[in-house]
Amino acid sequence: QVQLQESGPGLVKPSEPLSLTCTVSTDSFNSYYWSWIRQPPGRGLEWIGFVYHSGTTWYTPSLEGRVTISLDTSKKQLSLRLRSVTAADTAVYYCAKSLMIAGWSYNYYGLDVWGPGTTVTVS
Amino acid sequence: QSALTQPRSVSGSPGQSATISCTGTSSDVGGYSYVSWYQQHPGNAPKLIIYFVNKRPSGVPDRFSGSKSGNTASLTISGLQTEDEADYYCYSYTGTNTVVFGGGTKLTVL
Repeated sequence: QVQLQESGPGLVKPSEPLSLTCTVSTDSFNSYYWSWIRQPPGRGLEWIGFVYHSGTTWYTPSLEGRVTISLDTSKKQLSLRLRSVTAADTAVYYCAKSLMIAGWSYNYYGLDVWGPGTTVTVS
Repeated sequence: QSALTQPRSVSGSPGQSATISCTGTSSDVGGYSYVSWYQQHPGNAPKLIIYFVNKRPSGVPDRFSGSKSGNTASLTISGLQTEDEADYYCYSYTGTNTVVFGGGTKLTVL
């Protein structure tokens, strides 16, 4: 049973960087794509980006240039760094795992395991 | 990359059916069979309930079904139960390894 847990500061000052970590419990860390998603208060889900164990990343165009997602495979952790935050970056941030079907997993298959989320307030 | 279009709210009575639509373009929903749906109860993380347009993960009741026609995907919940009251989000591949969520639909079971 894969489990994910986000962690990081709950409060970040405007213009400073936001850094979050997601710790994963699984024996198959390198088999999946890992994703960050966020949800502003009272609003919908926004996909931020994916990372694969090769280090390859894909980001939503609206955050490209301001966001970096990385992996530490030895610690089974993925990280999110968002630069120059504003109040609009206030949200619950989730990490999630890509679905595996018939031994294959791709970032667009769907997200079948999510962390509980961590709230970040920019103020 | 705009969010997929979902109705803001849908309602139904217990035992009835409710359908939530998710409209995109030929570059996302219409172009691929990689549409999934998520259920989110207040204060909780989303839960995958449909993948590949119409497949259900194990443990998801068969009251939940998905379909697609052209650029619009749909989630149908039959035999509505009070616990189905939640927010629902669609999600689609958009090509070039990016994805997009729908704006979300609040389902009310009256």
